[in-house]
Order: sequence, then structure tokens, then C-alpha cells
Amino acid sequence: EVQLVESGGGLVKPGASLRLSCAASGFTFSSYTMNWVRQAPGKGLEWVSSISSSSSFIYYADSVNGRFTISKDNAKKSLYLQMNSLRADDTAVYYCARDKGAQPLFDSWGQGILVTVSS
Amino acid sequence: QLVLTQSPSASASLGASVKLTCTLSSGHSSYTVAWHQQQPEKGPRYLMNLNSDGSHSKGDGIPDRFSGSSSGAERYLTISSLQSEDEADYYCQTWGTGIRVFGGGTKLTVL
Repeated sequence: EVQLVESGGGLVKPGASLRLSCAASGFTFSSYTMNWVRQAPGKGLEWVSSISSSSSFIYYADSVNGRFTISKDNAKKSLYLQMNSLRADDTAVYYCARDKGAQPLFDSWGQGILVTVSS
Repeated sequence: QLVLTQSPSASASLGASVKLTCTLSSGHSSYTVAWHQQQPEKGPRYLMNLNSDGSHSKGDGIPDRFSGSSSGAERYLTISSLQSEDEADYYCQTWGTGIRVFGGGTKLTVL
């Protein structure tokens, strides 16, 4: 069974940094592109970032480009999101999601972790 | 620009059927989409991916009550024999070069 478990969320002040982790199990992590998706309170889903299976290709949404860094450790079966210069509008539940094989469609999701940016 | 458009809300009665629509922006009518369900206070759940020809493959454990179809730039999710647990937000999703895109979501109310 595919499992994705996020951790590292919490309450931080504007301008601070935070690192999210996603622990994967139940599949060959090194073979999959992975993603971060977020959902602000009461809002829809927003794609944040993607990283290819071997970390060769990395993409970011314009809203986080230059502030967030995605990374992947295949040996540890873990996905990370380093978030710097956090703003109030980064407040959201952050989900880890797996791409469906060769198609950039999400076929597995984590349960999400809340990040709150507030003074 | 790649955009997915969904109606904000839909409603149908318990036991009835409902058809949700996701519309691809101009020039993108051949794109494959995925449908995801998000029940209240839960994370999203992958339902299926849906091709332009209407062929689709569902995720593990997704009931037969959920089906997909396509017509031009429209991608449909049909839920039959509605149950109370189908009350949820439904999102379509696709991709472009270096990006993933979500529709705004449809909130389904089961009456």
C-alpha cells in the first residue's frame, strides 16, 4: 500500500523558514516524480512544486519560485520542501503527492500538514 | 494559457446521479485530466484519469458508481446511486510544460 506521510509543519512568523518532509513507503520511491500541493483555508488546491525521479527536473509555481526549494532523497525515500521568506499567504495545508507513472497526474496523496504564517 | 474551469457547486438527491464538468481552455481539448475527491476535513483522493476519447482508468478501490466521459474540451465525472459520503469537493487536474494545473473545484451536495 502506498503511504505518504508529511511532517514538519507548524506556526511561524512572517519572514521565517520551515522545512517540510514527506516519508514514502509501499512503492519504489526512486522511480517516481513527486510533488507538493497546498490548500489555503477554505480555498482550492494549488500545485506548488515538482521534482523528477532522479531530481533532474524541478519546477515551481510562480508564487513560490525563488523562495521554496524542493528536494528528494531516494535512499531515505523522502521528499522535502524548504520554505524561506514565508508570508501570510503561504498559510495552507501542504500535501505530498505522487505522479502516476509516466503521466504528470497525481495518483496518491498524503494526509497533509498545516503551515501557519502569522505574527 | 492552460486553464480548467469547473462550476463551483452542484447538488443531487440521495440515490440519484450527477454529472460534473471540467472544461479545458482553448487549444487544450486533447489533454488528459485526473479527477480527485476531497471529503470534508480530509486530504484529496485520486479517482481516475480521463482521456480525450473518454477512456479512463480508476484508482484502487474506486467504486463502479464513478465513471468518466469526454466530449471535445469537456471532461465529465458521473457519480451514480449517490450516497451521503459522496458529498465532497471534486477537482480536475492536468499538466502543461513544467506545471500542474487544478480546476477551481466543484462542491457537491447530496440532498
